[in-house]
Amino acid sequence: KAGVTQTPRYLIKTRGQQVTLSCSPISGHRSVSWYQQTPGQGLQFLFEYFSETQRNKGNFPGRFSGRQFSNSRSEMNVSTLELGDSALYLCASSWGTEGGEQYFGPGTRLTVT
Amino acid sequence: GENVEQHPSTLSVQEGDSAVIKCTYSDSASNYFPWYKQELGKRPQLIIDIRSNVGEKKDQRIAVTLNKTAKHFSLHITETQPEDSAVYFCAASKTGNQFYFGTGTSLTVIP
Repeated sequence: KAGVTQTPRYLIKTRGQQVTLSCSPISGHRSVSWYQQTPGQGLQFLFEYFSETQRNKGNFPGRFSGRQFSNSRSEMNVSTLELGDSALYLCASSWGTEGGEQYFGPGTRLTVT
Repeated sequence: GENVEQHPSTLSVQEGDSAVIKCTYSDSASNYFPWYKQELGKRPQLIIDIRSNVGEKKDQRIAVTLNKTAKHFSLHITETQPEDSAVYFCAASKTGNQFYFGTGTSLTVIP
């Protein structure tokens, strides 16, 4: 089975711009979660989608949003970028909805200048 | 929400020795506790997990123990090897796939 893929792998944006990141889960997995990883804060949960519905949301401002398509692919969007949004954004997929194994993608490294 | 604390933040051991990493969680409703290994520049990979109805789980050189009463769980790596060098994260989950992660432990195995 192909693993979780994320595009793009690297991105450089300017403050105030917006960005869209994409995640393709493992075939058959219907849950996609997004995390922000920074050296200072570690891995922080952004949101989880299952069957095109957001099931859980972390403590991030409304500038962070996401969606999931019928093929389980997911996108996250960050609007009005701030310098502090520079991070590695990881998505993870899992088969079910209740605390099962999550498989991470390689991440998208976002740099905001 | 859940708060997961992880100690130590860095750990150096001699090759062949054991390494122990400890995590505590705050929400007694948490019921799933995975451990991830992240090598430099790579994605986190699940190495072992445990559910709240189990006290201990082993997989070759790796074991995890869970004490629900004290709300802590630990990762034990025996006979460490240089390839065990990485950052290890613990996590806790109680609902869905919303995981709360510890801040990570950087393990260095000295040959």
